[in-house]
Amino acid sequence: EAGVTQSPTHLIKTRGQQATLRCSPISGHTSVYWYQQALGLGLQFLLWYDEGEERNRGNFPPRFSGRQFPNYSSELNVNALELEDSALYLCASSYGNQPQHFGDGTRLSIL
Amino acid sequence: KNQVEQSPQSLIILEGKNCTLQCNYTVSPFSNLRWYKQDTGRGPVSLTIMTFSENTKSNGRYTATLDADTKQSSLHITASQLSDSASYICVVSAPTGANNLFFGTGTRLTVIP
Repeated sequence: EAGVTQSPTHLIKTRGQQATLRCSPISGHTSVYWYQQALGLGLQFLLWYDEGEERNRGNFPPRFSGRQFPNYSSELNVNALELEDSALYLCASSYGNQPQHFGDGTRLSIL
Repeated sequence: KNQVEQSPQSLIILEGKNCTLQCNYTVSPFSNLRWYKQDTGRGPVSLTIMTFSENTKSNGRYTATLDADTKQSSLHITASQLSDSASYICVVSAPTGANNLFFGTGTRLTVIP
């Protein structure tokens, strides 16, 4: 069984640019979650998508947005990038109340 | 305020030795507690999950304990191996909703030969 896959592995951007991160969940999983893991900090919840709908979002500004496609894959978009957006962005998927399975993340670096 | 605190922040042990990582939480109501292992540059991988009624759960050399009364959990690693070097994250779940997962900042374990 293929796990959660994220792309790209690394992404380098400059301040003010826009970044798009992608996530493919485990087959059969309908929920996708996005987390930010800044260096030295714990995971911070960003967004939760289920069945194509945004179900909840964490305490992040509106320039963090995303969507879930009919095949349950998901995109995270970050506009007007700031230096403090540099972090590992993790995607997780689950079905119902089953535990989340994480991908290996996208390392976003802002120069 | 719902919080999860882990200690120690970092730990260095010799290969073959045992160690115990701690997790204290204030999350209420409580649904379950999970321990994840996160290797450098990788996503977290679930080690154990315990509900309110479970006191102990093992996964190979990893044994997690839970005291729901004192809101404390521990992860005991037996006969450590170099591959155990990783961050260990405690995650406490409230009953509903994705943002009802509360993450500790992790313990960074380094096993040296």
